[in-house]
Amino acid sequence: QKEVEQNSGPLSVPEGAIASLNCTYSDRGSQSFFWYRQYSGKSPELIMFIYSNGDKEDGRFTAQLNKASQYVSLLIRDSQPSDSATYLCAVNLNPGAGSYQLTFGKGTKLSVIP
Amino acid sequence: EPEVTQTPSHQVTQMGQEVILRCVPISNHLYFYWYRQILGQKVEFLVSFYNNEISEKSEIFDDQFSVERPDGSNFTLKIRSTKLEDSAMYFCASSQQGQGRGEQYFGPGTRLTVT
Repeated sequence: QKEVEQNSGPLSVPEGAIASLNCTYSDRGSQSFFWYRQYSGKSPELIMFIYSNGDKEDGRFTAQLNKASQYVSLLIRDSQPSDSATYLCAVNLNPGAGSYQLTFGKGTKLSVIP
Repeated sequence: EPEVTQTPSHQVTQMGQEVILRCVPISNHLYFYWYRQILGQKVEFLVSFYNNEISEKSEIFDDQFSVERPDGSNFTLKIRSTKLEDSAMYFCASSQQGQGRGEQYFGPGTRLTVT
């Protein structure tokens, strides 16, 4: 079964620390990986996407992809209380079949403690 | 910054009634999607739409569901005869590209409550 797995948390970090969020996926053919942030009662907001192995940095966010290990992570540096949200990992699991759909993990709830 | 919009923000309906959820995708996007999220659960894919036809649909998207692009801007999801288990947040999303690299941007959602 094609799946995206995340630790549900909650993950608590002090303000100013690095938050590390992890995600594994089931399909080796996956090519597109996304991190969304979802505040309670709101819609998913795209914050990072990564398509190639390695690191991709955007401001305080770094996405890391390791296709051999089928693992993608998100690092949030200098965490702020406003980063407190649920972080959703989403993967296009079957692009070879012409599929556009994203499969989401359950999300990791992050709390940044002032 | 362009964004996906959805109306209404909240819809309450009785079981068995038809509902239409509306979306205006980002104007230069070509691929459109509906997802839903039952309270406390994962975001689930329903359907993707490109070039005026369904590209892909999930098992959830049965004969009670339909989608339409009635004009150049709107994209709708119709549920013909609602069930209690259809209660969820419904999100519309759009992307410039489809397969592979298309980043999908989500609208604010419509909360559907079926009583």
